[in-house]
Amino acid sequence: AQSVTQLDSQVPVFEEAPVELRCNYSSSVSVYLFWYVQYPNQGLQLLLKYLSGSTLVKSINGFEAEFNKSQTSFHLRKPSVHISDTAEYFCAVIAPRGGSEKLVFGKGTKLTVNP
Amino acid sequence: GAGVSQSPSNKVTEKGKDVELRCDPISGHTALYWYRQRLGQGLEFLIYFQGNSAPDKSGLPSDRFSAERTGESVSTLTIQRTQQEDSAVYLCASSLLSGSGNTIYFGEGSWLTVV
Repeated sequence: AQSVTQLDSQVPVFEEAPVELRCNYSSSVSVYLFWYVQYPNQGLQLLLKYLSGSTLVKSINGFEAEFNKSQTSFHLRKPSVHISDTAEYFCAVIAPRGGSEKLVFGKGTKLTVNP
Repeated sequence: GAGVSQSPSNKVTEKGKDVELRCDPISGHTALYWYRQRLGQGLEFLIYFQGNSAPDKSGLPSDRFSAERTGESVSTLTIQRTQQEDSAVYLCASSLLSGSGNTIYFGEGSWLTVV
């Protein structure tokens, strides 16, 4: 079975500061990795995903995440955050082969960007 | 439709009553998922469908919970004899195929309050 750990439940930062949201996973098989974002009073939206190839993946709004197989991590980073990035961020994994074929989520990290 | 549609968006019910939550996935999506999100907590997997069959029901919390899917389309999640701990947002999601790198799209959820 797969599991996801997001160590930080809340991350407050000031606008224009860099941010890193940590995600570690556990799996005995290869996985695909995702970051979803939930803005206040909205549904979950896919932010970015890693399937294969380049270990660095980027979103259209400046976030990036790097898959590190040896550290079983998929941390999310942004060099300069905006007030509008305030949201809850969920890391998730799915095992395309040999797993249960369901998306397993971490508990989420609430990012609050203050002026 | 353009996205995953869920109804009702909000439901307040008395303890002990049965409720039905409906999900219309994106047209052509063969995989359908149900998740639960309790206040201040992460996403909890309930069940997923591939076509009309449910290979993984492991997340259903008790036998009061059941789900079905017909026509490889609409799904209904039924909670019998509701309890206060059932209060949560119930999220439905769909994707082209399960266990693949296809993006899983979420609906906006059905907010259930048991009083």
